Amino acid sequence: DIQLTQSPSSLSASVGDRVTFTCQASQDIANYLSWYQQRPGKAPKLLIYDAFNLETGVPSRFSGSGSGTDFTFTINSLQPEDIATYYCQQYDNLPHTFGQGTRLEIK
Amino acid sequence: EVQLLESGGDLIQPGGSLRLSCAASGFTFSNYAMTWVRQAPGKGLEWVSTITSSGSSTHYADSVKGRFTISRDNSKDTLYLEMHSLKAEDTALYYCAKTGPTILSSFDYWGQGTLVTVSS
Repeated sequence: DIQLTQSPSSLSASVGDRVTFTCQASQDIANYLSWYQQRPGKAPKLLIYDAFNLETGVPSRFSGSGSGTDFTFTINSLQPEDIATYYCQQYDNLPHTFGQGTRLEIK
Repeated sequence: EVQLLESGGDLIQPGGSLRLSCAASGFTFSNYAMTWVRQAPGKGLEWVSTITSSGSSTHYADSVKGRFTISRDNSKDTLYLEMHSLKAEDTALYYCAKTGPTILSSFDYWGQGTLVTVSS
């Protein structure tokens, strides 16, 4: 199985900050990686697919990059509504696997 | 508007069985693979099972293989998950998720989940 390791596990930042976190795959997954946002008490929401493509309707302050084994997710100008846990997920091979999540808090 | 509405979650004793349903609307259900993902209380996301658009091929996590069966009725736009020999570790919120045209795709829409609690 492909393991995804997210870092950090939690992060605290201020409104307006640029935040970045990473997802590392245990083997090459090309660009078959998505990022999801899960707000407290809500279902996950797809933000980024194929490593860098923004899902329709998602604000442009969210972005993704990377390929192979190393991926980055960035929020430019953090907003209060961005409080959530963010998960990466690979779909290069079954079983689908998720990272353990990065919990984002506002200072 | 894509909508996924799960139902069937309940409090069930260890060893028991349950069937979850996911009613889909707002897209051509028969064109897309579908997936179940679960989340134990306070934990992360765990892929459970995926079925192809036609229903001809199914795939399972090792943790549920042999106990869970995914199926779909394209005439009713509904996805199912039959769960048998339930264990305490199956306790979770179960989400159905619209998948892409193939099983190796991201999950672009999620339902709100249905809660399964396995406890005596």
